[in-house]
Order: sequence, then structure tokens, then C-alpha cells
Amino acid sequence: DAGVIQSPRHEVTEMGQEVTLRCKPISGHNSLFWYRQTMMRGLELLIYFNNNVPIDDSGMPEDRFSAKMPNASFSTLKIQPSEPRDSAVYFCASSRVSGNTIYFGEGSWLTVV
Amino acid sequence: AQTVTQSQPEMSVQEAETVTLSCTYDTSESDYYLFWYKQPPSRQMILVIRQEAYKQQNATENRFSVNFQKAAKSFSLKISDSQLGDAAMYFCAQIKDAGNMLTFGGGTRLMVKP
Repeated sequence: DAGVIQSPRHEVTEMGQEVTLRCKPISGHNSLFWYRQTMMRGLELLIYFNNNVPIDDSGMPEDRFSAKMPNASFSTLKIQPSEPRDSAVYFCASSRVSGNTIYFGEGSWLTVV
Repeated sequence: AQTVTQSQPEMSVQEAETVTLSCTYDTSESDYYLFWYKQPPSRQMILVIRQEAYKQQNATENRFSVNFQKAAKSFSLKISDSQLGDAAMYFCAQIKDAGNMLTFGGGTRLMVKP
């Protein structure tokens, strides 16, 4: 079975530009998580969805960040406008709502210059 | 609130030796799950081992095993016969219940010396 698929794997963008990160969860999984990893703050949960509904977005740093899950097989995390401090690895992860193991994608490395 | 603490920022081990990584957590829940994830330089998060809090038996996966002390809220990872490929960041994590989020510790960087 395919794992969690994220795109792009690497992105370099200029400050002020819009960035869209994409995620396809594992088929059959109905919980989806977006995490951010930085040296300073470690792994932080940004937002998570159950059955396509956002459950907790308290980790979203500010209004420049938004996330959507229009269907069970796709989610996006958008940053607009991007800033250098947004540079990080962004992970998407998924699990079954009834399950208790979360599987991660390979991450999207974002660099904002 | 849940917290997970890894008190060892870095550890090193000689190849073929055994090393133990420490983790403590704090929760008011009685039912929860604990995990160790490995993150190599590629940054991929790889599940190493999982422990259900209601199980007294310690989980084992090949060379990886845990020492789960529920009363002490301790969950250490033992790596036996360490290999060069074990060099990575290791994160301890806790999930409160199904469908809920993972809370991670700060990580331990493991170096394996040939």
C-alpha cells in the first residue's frame, strides 16, 4: 500500500509568495495531521482533521496559514504571504480515527528567502 | 495537557553495543499509546515501536525493545546490537486516544561509532 504522499518534496520561494503544500493520506485513513518541524520549536502540530472536518487548528501560527481538506484523499496547507521564518519541514500524517498509529509522509522542505 | 520529555539531547554508542534512550511523559489519562519514531538525515519519520498503556508486557521489534513503567510514567527505548544505520534522531511520542494528535518529545540524537 502507498504511504502518505506529500508534494512538493522541496520548495524554495521568495518572501511574499504564496506556497501550497499538498498531501494524499493513506487510503482508508480518516484522520489527517499537518506538523511543522524547526530547529527552534521541534515538531509542532498545526492542524488536524477527522473525516475532512478540522478538529483543532490552534497550532496554526497566524492568519497567513490556512488548511483545507476538500475530500478524504486530499489536503492542502497554504501560506500566503510566505516569510523567511516559515522555513521548515512540513509533515503530513494520517491515521484511522479508530486507530492509534499515525503514519508520516516524507515531508516538504520549505525555504523562504 | 500532555507533555513528553527526553532528557538526553545526544547519545553515542559503539557499533554492536546496546544503548537506552530515556523518555518520560505526563498525562492524566488512563488509556493512551506511546511511540518511538526514528528520523534519519532524510528527515522521514519512521515508526520504530508502539506500546499500549493497558498492556503490561513491554513491546519488542527485533533489536528494539521498550521498558514501560506506567506508574513512573517512563518509556525508554533499548537498541541492541547497534548498527551504523541506527544513527538518527529518535522521538518519543504519546497519543491520548484514537484519532487524536501525537505529542512529541524534543528528540535524542543517537550517534553510532564504528
